[in-house]
Amino acid sequence: GIQVEQSPPDLILQEGANSTLRCNFSDSVNNLQWFHQNPWGQLINLFYIPSGTKQNGRLSATTVATERYSLLYISSSQTTDSGVYFCAVSSGNTPLVFGKGTRLSVIA
Amino acid sequence: GAVVSQHPSRVICKSGTSVKIECRSLDFQATTMFWYRQFPKQSLMLMATSNEGSKATYEQGVEKDKFLINHASLTLSTLTVTSAHPEDSSFYICSASGLLNEQFFGPGTRLTVL
Repeated sequence: GIQVEQSPPDLILQEGANSTLRCNFSDSVNNLQWFHQNPWGQLINLFYIPSGTKQNGRLSATTVATERYSLLYISSSQTTDSGVYFCAVSSGNTPLVFGKGTRLSVIA
Repeated sequence: GAVVSQHPSRVICKSGTSVKIECRSLDFQATTMFWYRQFPKQSLMLMATSNEGSKATYEQGVEKDKFLINHASLTLSTLTVTSAHPEDSSFYICSASGLLNEQFFGPGTRLTVL
């Protein structure tokens, strides 16, 4: 099956700093989603981005499908950005396969 | 985005009892719903895929007689943990597949078996 690797596994940022999270996947996909899991466990949809670039406020994402990777950019980080960021992919009608996540801590 | 609810959000039960968790898509119809399990500080692990009107497809290693899944309508899927034991304690999360295969997740149910 598809393998998903996320890096870095852990990240500590000073408030206001920028960061880039990476997601590598092992096969062609037609679905790629980025999620933020908040401290209460809720998975919040950030981007549905099987290819191309999208932006939403301080967050943006780029997926280069031909090279099998996606990047999530967080600019001007805030303490509320803390949590775990997951990348998940699927191909065809198969279920999403999740990476192990990047645990982000933003300190004031 | 689409909204998925899950109930209850937290349940504590005695060993040997059964617990039912409901997952509802509130503003869209979902022919496919998914059930995941998450242990502390780990990623989500898919348990089963639930299709409306048919039997669920379970992942390898997931006991279908222990984790009963019913998807009776396009907006409701249920997971019943039968004869729960302490090792079943976990965070259970459902998701529903909307247009373009994008998945939306419920808020999760934290199960503690004493």
